This record gives sequence, C-alpha cells and structure tokens, in this order.
Amino acid sequence: TQLLEQSPQFLSIQEGENLTVYCNSSSVFSSLQWYRQEPGEGPVLLVTVVTGGEVKKLKRLTFQFGDARKDSSLHITAAQPGDTGLYLCALLFTGGFKTIFGAGTRLFVKA
Amino acid sequence: DAGITQSPRHKVTETGTPVTLRCHQTENHRYMYWYRQDPGHGLRLIHYSYGVKDTDKGEVSDGYSVSRSKTEDFLLTLESATSSQTSVYFCAISGVTGSEQYFGPGTRLTVT
Repeated sequence: TQLLEQSPQFLSIQEGENLTVYCNSSSVFSSLQWYRQEPGEGPVLLVTVVTGGEVKKLKRLTFQFGDARKDSSLHITAAQPGDTGLYLCALLFTGGFKTIFGAGTRLFVKA
Repeated sequence: DAGITQSPRHKVTETGTPVTLRCHQTENHRYMYWYRQDPGHGLRLIHYSYGVKDTDKGEVSDGYSVSRSKTEDFLLTLESATSSQTSVYFCAISGVTGSEQYFGPGTRLTVT
C-alpha cells in the first residue's frame, strides 16, 4: 500500500484544456511537495506546501493543500504541450531529509 | 542546474555480475540519495547519506550497498545483479535543510 495515492495515473488532453490531479494519504502531512519530471530527465521541484488550506500559484499552475493536510491538488489552466510530463507528489518527513514519493500522474498535452 | 552527474547513463549487464553506479556532485551538499524508479511505483529510496562515511537504508535497500568516501561522490553497488533490479536509478542531493532535492539525469540499468 502506497503512503501517497495519486490520481489519475494517466491523463491525455488537448492544448487549452484545464485539468486537476490529486494526491491523497490516510496520514497527515507535515509538508508536501510537487515535482515535474520530463521524459529522460530527473524530477524538478515545483512547490512545497506546509500550511493546511494553503494555495500557491506558479504561472498557470495552482497548488492547494487540504485543510486537514491529508490531500493536495494541482490545477493547470490552459494546458500547453510543454506541460507534458510526470507529476509527482512527495511527502517530506519531519527532520527534512527523507522524502516519500507517490507513483505520479503522467500528463500528455496534445497540440 | 545543480551540478550532478551520473555514470554510466546506460548499462546492460548479466544476472549475477557486480555493478557500480556513480553519482558526482559539485555543489558541496551534505545529503545524497539513491532512488530507483519503476512504472507504477514512483521513486523509491534505496539508500541515503548524511555525510562522508555516514549512510543509512531506505525502503528498498535489499541487494544494494553504498559508499561515500568523499563529499562529492556517492556510489551504489549491486553485488550480484538480478533481473528485478532492472530500473532507472536516480541520484539526488540536498542541502542542510533537506527540503529541496536536486536530481541527476538518471542511469538506465538493464539486467538480462
């Protein structure tokens, strides 16, 4: 059983559409991170959320941390082909240096 | 981009042979990590290091060993490779707070 469940596992959409992907756990997070991984490369950190109810925006990406700190979502507005990639959520353990990753949502944006 | 290199980038080896993967950083970061990535499992931590000669096990450490004799180098060794160790291996580094990890480009290992 994975500590972090991500959904959907795969998403294929047309350029210009909006989408939301989810990250859920039965445990309370101290903080949660979202990474994006492009084909053939390592993951790159997008954002860290630490406060229940927190919303962070990064251009067309909006990240939300649930009030109970057990879930998070990533919303992309007007998706572009450059958004194609694997989106991973990660749980950062207290003490800082151990991270558990979800299995990811693979997004494909068609031009 | 963080200065992290991995070598080799691709390797095919036979079952039962020893394999060593190298991670090299130029950032002088304290923490280094080895992950494997497999479809449906995301990234799973194999071993990590919190300083020279200081290492600890992650969630999937069986069959793997590591060594860190210098700050900049973290080696992952498969003593006797098995087909279940076919995977993409990523090295990562992080600074004192550990809050952001920077990943290398990965090594694709195939065990036949």
